[in-house]
Amino acid sequence: AQTVTQSQPEMSVQEAETVTLSCTYDTSENNYYLFWYKQPPSRQMILVIRQEAYKQQNATENRFSVNFQKAAKSFSLKISDSQLGDTAMYFCASPWSGGSEKLVFGKGTKLTVNP
Amino acid sequence: DAGITQSPRHKVTETGTPVTLRCHQTENHRYMYWYRQDPGHGLRLIHYSYGVKDTDKGEVSDGYSVSRSKTEDFLLTLESATSSQTSVYFCAISDPRLAGPTADTQYFGPGTRLTVL
Repeated sequence: AQTVTQSQPEMSVQEAETVTLSCTYDTSENNYYLFWYKQPPSRQMILVIRQEAYKQQNATENRFSVNFQKAAKSFSLKISDSQLGDTAMYFCASPWSGGSEKLVFGKGTKLTVNP
Repeated sequence: DAGITQSPRHKVTETGTPVTLRCHQTENHRYMYWYRQDPGHGLRLIHYSYGVKDTDKGEVSDGYSVSRSKTEDFLLTLESATSSQTSVYFCAISDPRLAGPTADTQYFGPGTRLTVL
């Protein structure tokens, strides 16, 4: 079965520090996108960052960046200068093998930013 | 936010009753998806649609059916609700025809919390 593994169920970080959330996946697709979504207590699923697998350059969005290792099928999310508003569940997602229009999600990492 | 609404936002029902959840989009996106979210499982795909009247199963489709008669609406039906279908249901949309940073990106509705007693 297709799997996306987020090995850290819970993490905490002090405000203004940096934290990295890990993710590994196992799609057999060649050209695809990978995603990190954030789900705050409001329950809304919010896109954080997207990585194109055929690009070697790691994606960045303000304080959020990824470390994408295609051969290892690893896709970690780094949050710099953590803010209280970053407290949320974070989900990694990769495409299904044979159907990149569908996504498989990890079970999530609960991140708490402490003041 | 993408123009995606879900109705109802909350529903409590009894075992054995039929339930229909609605997803409505104003973005004219080709693909629409239904997921369920349960503690310890992340999001799991129930069904998806790749066009009007074109649907396919996801990984947890048993007990659910879907219909899409218009581009903007995607309905999820529980023919006879069971307690195991108590969950939060999310609709999402995407479109591979888009270019740039939104291509193949799924955008989510606000979710529906369903409780089956």
